[in-house]
Amino acid sequence: AQTVTQSQPEMSVQEAETVTLSCTYDTSENNYYLFWYKQPPSRQMILVIRQEAYKQQNATENRFSVNFQKAAKSFSLKISDSQLGDTAMYFCASVYSGAGSYQLTFGKGTKLSVIP
Amino acid sequence: GAGVSQTPSNKVTEKGKYVELRCDPISGHTALYWYRQSLGQGPEFLIYFQGTGAADDSGLPNDRFFAVRPEGSVSTLKIQRTERGDSAMYLCASSKDQKGYNEQFFGPGTRLTVL
Repeated sequence: AQTVTQSQPEMSVQEAETVTLSCTYDTSENNYYLFWYKQPPSRQMILVIRQEAYKQQNATENRFSVNFQKAAKSFSLKISDSQLGDTAMYFCASVYSGAGSYQLTFGKGTKLSVIP
Repeated sequence: GAGVSQTPSNKVTEKGKYVELRCDPISGHTALYWYRQSLGQGPEFLIYFQGTGAADDSGLPNDRFFAVRPEGSVSTLKIQRTERGDSAMYLCASSKDQKGYNEQFFGPGTRLTVL
């Protein structure tokens, strides 16, 4: 079974500053993928960034990047130049890429507030 | 193109009643997932369809919950004899196929309240 832990229930950041959201996971599998999803207030969840476990290079998508530490089972999200539209719940998630189901296992989320 | 849609957006029912929640995935997506999100929690997996068949229903909490996808497109989550503990946001997601790397596209959810 996979578990995902987000230890920061809430965080805030000043507009234009940088913030890092933490995530740790536990899995006995070798092949898996990690994701960060964003859920804005009263809006649907959207994918922010994803990482393949077998790739050592950290994924980057514009202002969003991850710090993937496989040995430590850590997968943090860095948001640079924070914008008001980044205010949302952020969920870290994992999926096992072996045979069978491909459901996402989510953490409890971090509520991020960007302050003008 | 249209995203994942879910109807109704809100459903209020009384304890013991039967409810149906509908999900319309992105056209051409063969994989469909149902999740349940309680207040202050991350979504939890309920059931996964690949095409018309339920490939994994291990997340369904009990036999009051059932889901179908008869033509491999629209899916309906059915809850019998609803209980107050069933109150939650029910999310549907679809993806292009069953590969784990593929992005799951989420619908806006159905908020179920059982009085």
